[in-house]
Amino acid sequence: NAGVTQTPKFQVLKTGQSMTLQCAQDMNHEYMSWYRQDPGMGLRLIHYSVGAGITDQGEVPNGYNVSRSTTEDFPLRLLSAAPSQTSVYFCASRSSGGAGDTQYFGPGTRLTVL
Amino acid sequence: TQLLEQSPQFLSIQEGENLTVYCNSSSVFSSLQWYRQEPGEGPVLLVTVVTGGEVKKLKRLTFQFGDARKDSSLHITAAQPGDTGLYLCAGVSGAGSYQLTFGKGTKLSVIP
Repeated sequence: NAGVTQTPKFQVLKTGQSMTLQCAQDMNHEYMSWYRQDPGMGLRLIHYSVGAGITDQGEVPNGYNVSRSTTEDFPLRLLSAAPSQTSVYFCASRSSGGAGDTQYFGPGTRLTVL
Repeated sequence: TQLLEQSPQFLSIQEGENLTVYCNSSSVFSSLQWYRQEPGEGPVLLVTVVTGGEVKKLKRLTFQFGDARKDSSLHITAAQPGDTGLYLCAGVSGAGSYQLTFGKGTKLSVIP
């Protein structure tokens, strides 16, 4: 199993550009989520999905869109990039909402918006 | 919004020393997780504690969940340079909840 994969690993955008961060998991997990990690801020939840066709907002959803057409894939779209979206983005998956379930994180995408 | 306060934010110690990292909240969590993150990588789950008062040991790491399920601690005995990293606590607010609330992390450096 590859676990959770993310592409690209690094990306530089100009203000106003759009892009999609890709995330895929091969563990047949129902729950997937996107976080951003900023210095001194910890991990903040952007969007999450509890299954194909179901998505919901997290703590910091503005400026981001998600969709979940398959169990495996959960892309994150930046509609019009802003410098405030410069961050490291992590995708994660877990099998269910059980307290003992392990959440697996991808390796991250480091995004810089100029 | 539930908040998790971690302390200290930074910790630099000599190899062989002991240390404790704290994770505190005014809210009750159904479970709490501890992660370790190395530079350039995603967080990796170390342990999940579920029951108030629970103590779990993972080699030289001891994790404790407070009786009221509002706080937790991570104690490392005889720290090694390989323990260096960012330690994150994360709370689950209710049974069956999918969302994790993360603390801001403790950056640990163990000097040989």
